[in-house]
Amino acid sequence: GENVEQHPSTLSVQEGDSAVIKCTYSDSASNYFPWYKQELGKRPQLIIDIRSNVGEKKDQRIAVTLNKTAKHFSLHITETQPEDSAVYFCAASGSNYQLIWGAGTKLIIKP
Amino acid sequence: DGGITQSPKYLFRKEGQNVTLSCEQNLNHDAMYWYRQDPGQGLRLIYYSQIVNDFQKGDIAEGYSVSREKKESFPLTVTSAQKNPTAFYLCASKAGPSTDTQYFGPGTRLTVL
Repeated sequence: GENVEQHPSTLSVQEGDSAVIKCTYSDSASNYFPWYKQELGKRPQLIIDIRSNVGEKKDQRIAVTLNKTAKHFSLHITETQPEDSAVYFCAASGSNYQLIWGAGTKLIIKP
Repeated sequence: DGGITQSPKYLFRKEGQNVTLSCEQNLNHDAMYWYRQDPGQGLRLIYYSQIVNDFQKGDIAEGYSVSREKKESFPLTVTSAQKNPTAFYLCASKAGPSTDTQYFGPGTRLTVL
């Protein structure tokens, strides 16, 4: 069935360093890949997304890359700051207009 | 996000009771979704609706029911058949079939006493 695997489950980086979170999807028909950030007790919020006709997209310190052949996509955060600490979820578009969600990555920014 | 509201923010239920969680949106979105999130876990789809008067089961529909009588409203009822309902419930919506981005409400935290 449709599946998205997300790694790592926890990532701890020094403030100012870069963080990379990776996701692999199973459905070759997926064409939309969003990333959401969820702070403790809050709602998930979209931070960046990419479509299958684009290989890379950047928004200030955040970038997403997509490799359709390998069916994986990654979130890159540069110059990490304390406010980047949160849980990050990747997703891929599935059948019936659903999103197939990864299990989440807890990002910890060490001062 | 500001166009999606959920109430109440916190809800306490005794065992054997049915409770209904509210989700309202003023974004004129066609599609609405209900997710369950357990502590430290990801999002699991309960029910979704692409259009008024139509809805489909998600991955964990057992013990839940929904209705979609109005475009702006998609209430979720947690029935007594749901044996472990304590969780964070998130409602989301998206504009329609030609769009993909889902926007979330602030969530309802349900606790069974």
